[in-house]
Amino acid sequence: GNSVTQMEGPVTLSEEAFLTINCTYTATGYPSLFWYVQYPGEGLQLLLKATKADDKGSNKGFEATYRKETTSFHLEKGSVQVSDSAVYFCALSGYSGGGADGLTFGKGTHLIIQP
Amino acid sequence: DARVTQTPRHKVTEMGQEVTMRCQPILGHNTVFWYRQTMMQGLELLAYFRNRAPLDDSGMPKDRFSAEMPDATLATLKIQPSEPRDSAVYFCASGPGNSNQPQHFGDGTRLSIL
Repeated sequence: GNSVTQMEGPVTLSEEAFLTINCTYTATGYPSLFWYVQYPGEGLQLLLKATKADDKGSNKGFEATYRKETTSFHLEKGSVQVSDSAVYFCALSGYSGGGADGLTFGKGTHLIIQP
Repeated sequence: DARVTQTPRHKVTEMGQEVTMRCQPILGHNTVFWYRQTMMQGLELLAYFRNRAPLDDSGMPKDRFSAEMPDATLATLKIQPSEPRDSAVYFCASGPGNSNQPQHFGDGTRLSIL
């Protein structure tokens, strides 16, 4: 079956540091890949997505590239801010004949940015 | 922006009581998902519907959980009888049914069973 593995935190960085959160996946076929972010007391918000190999998703300074050869979708940001503190989830969406299946999530990475 | 709406936001009740959680998906989305989030297990898919028909509920304990979509604007998740191990945050999400498109999540129902 499908699975997602991501580094578990908490990850603590200083403001303006470079961020990498690793994510690897196992899936049949050609899944779509997503990063979601969750702030305290809220639901998950889409951060970025990539739907095929070598696609790069980007949003709010975050980037991730769909690497089929290494089955990875690592999240990066060049300069983090205190407001980036949240929990980040890597996820994949499979596809059955009738349409999208549910998302398979990693365990989540708690990111803490210190001023 | 269109949003997925979940009610109630918080629910505290005693073991053995029935719990009903409701979800209003985004208008035009034909696929509705229920997820459960716990510290130990993370985010798990419980069930999902497409065009109001149940497609997969293999993630749900069948003896106590039930999910329905009485109409296109309402999805429900019921637990009867509830147990302390059901304490979690339950999220509803909706999407257009294409795996390339993201799912949109509600803010969740935080459930505590005493």
